Amino acid sequence: GAVVSQHPSRVICKSGTSVKIECRSLDFQATTMFWYRQFPKQSLMLMATSNEGSKATYEQGVEKDKFLINHASLTLSTLTVTSAHPEDSSFYICSARAIDRGSYEQYFGPGTRLTVT
Amino acid sequence: GQQLNQSPQSMFIQEGEDVSMNCTSSSIFNTWLWYKQDPGEGPVLLIALYKAGELTSNGRLTAQFGITRKDSFLNISASIPSDVGIYFCAGQLGRNTGKLIFGQGTTLQVKP
Repeated sequence: GAVVSQHPSRVICKSGTSVKIECRSLDFQATTMFWYRQFPKQSLMLMATSNEGSKATYEQGVEKDKFLINHASLTLSTLTVTSAHPEDSSFYICSARAIDRGSYEQYFGPGTRLTVT
Repeated sequence: GQQLNQSPQSMFIQEGEDVSMNCTSSSIFNTWLWYKQDPGEGPVLLIALYKAGELTSNGRLTAQFGITRKDSFLNISASIPSDVGIYFCAGQLGRNTGKLIFGQGTTLQVKP
C-alpha cells in the first residue's frame, strides 16, 4: 500500500510553454502533498506544501505565479510550470502524507523529469 | 534556515562490509527519516524514527535517533550489490506541517 504515482514520468517542452505534472495517491487519501525539485547530483529541495481545498504554501524563493499548485481532491495534486525556461529543467518529485494511517510518514512518487529546450 | 549535514558524501565498499552514515543538525527535529533513492526514481522510505534515543531495525538496516534530537545514524550490515544507491536522511520540522529537510545524500557503491 501507500503508492504515489506521477504523470508524466518524462516531458520535454519548448521554452515559454507550460507543463502540468500530476501527483496521485493511489490507495490512500492525502490531505497534504509536497512538491520537491531535485537538480542532478543534489538533494531534494521542498518547493511547496499543498493542502486539499486550500492555497499552497510556498517555500522562500519559489515563485508561486510560476509554479502553480492545485490540490483539488484528496488523491490528486497538480504542479504547473508556467512559461518554462531551460533553468526550470529538473527532476520534480511529489510526496503525500496519509490521513488514515496514524503516522507521519511521507510516500514519494517516482518523479517527473522535465527538460525545457 | 535549517540544514542537515550528512556524511560521508560517498562510499565505495566491498560486498559484505558494513556501512555507516550519519546526519547532524544545529536544529532539533521531532522525526528523523532515512530514504534510499535509485537513479531516476523517487526516494523510498527505509526507516522512520520518532523518539529521541530510539533504535530501529529494518532487516540489515539499523538507525538511531540521537538523544539530543540533532543527529541520527544509519548502519547497513553485510552490504550486497543491490544496496547501491543514494541514501538521504531527512528531518521533519513538525508533525503538523510534515515539512522535511533533506541531507545532501550519501552515494553508496558496492563492489561485488
